[in-house]
Amino acid sequence: QSALTQPASVSGSPGQSITISCTGTSSDVGGYNYVSWYQQHPGKAPKLMINDVSNRPSGVSNRFSGSKSGNTASLTISGLQAEDEADYYCSSYTGITTPYVFGTGTKVTVL
Amino acid sequence: EVQLVESGGGLVQPGRSLRLSCAASGFTFDDYAMHWVRQAPGKGLEWVSGISWNSRSIGYADSVKGRFTISRDNAKNSLYLQMNSLRAEDTALYYCAKDIGYDMSGGYFDLWGRGSLVTVSS
Repeated sequence: QSALTQPASVSGSPGQSITISCTGTSSDVGGYNYVSWYQQHPGKAPKLMINDVSNRPSGVSNRFSGSKSGNTASLTISGLQAEDEADYYCSSYTGITTPYVFGTGTKVTVL
Repeated sequence: EVQLVESGGGLVQPGRSLRLSCAASGFTFDDYAMHWVRQAPGKGLEWVSGISWNSRSIGYADSVKGRFTISRDNAKNSLYLQMNSLRAEDTALYYCAKDIGYDMSGGYFDLWGRGSLVTVSS
């Protein structure tokens, strides 16, 4: 199972919006509505930000939103804040044998 | 407190074995599938292995198949990863992660441990 493709880095100024893409295939992203997004600050464990393509868990800021079109999912961060600077990983369910695959990761920089 | 705590990591020579443990607390452990996810230094996340609530469904990444064995003891609220024939490329921080489903098809992980570092080097 190949990793999902994400841009290596995305940057934006405070208050701006940025979008991170996550491209897979019809066997993962395109085949299931089970795309999730994780935020990871340096030296910390990943934190769930979005599940099931667009659902925001309790406690996650409404500045984070998710969507999907075909084999590509997206995470949008609006009103960018300094605390959003982190690595972001997408993940997709892929079926029962090897059920999960992660994206290559995107470093978000707040200018 | 709801948490996962990994242990058992360390420095090991290539070809040797190591066993990781993950202690779960604060939730009904045997209601959920569990997974191991690793992260090599400076690299991204990689799903390694998963196990259903009753241990009947198990999966492995191709990179570890035949060398690693996942298991769980629901009576002890614990998850394990037996790692044999270790290679330099297995060097990583190994996270224990909770599935939101019971059979590895829940779709995402809602709880992560802090990780246990495994270093494979001579």
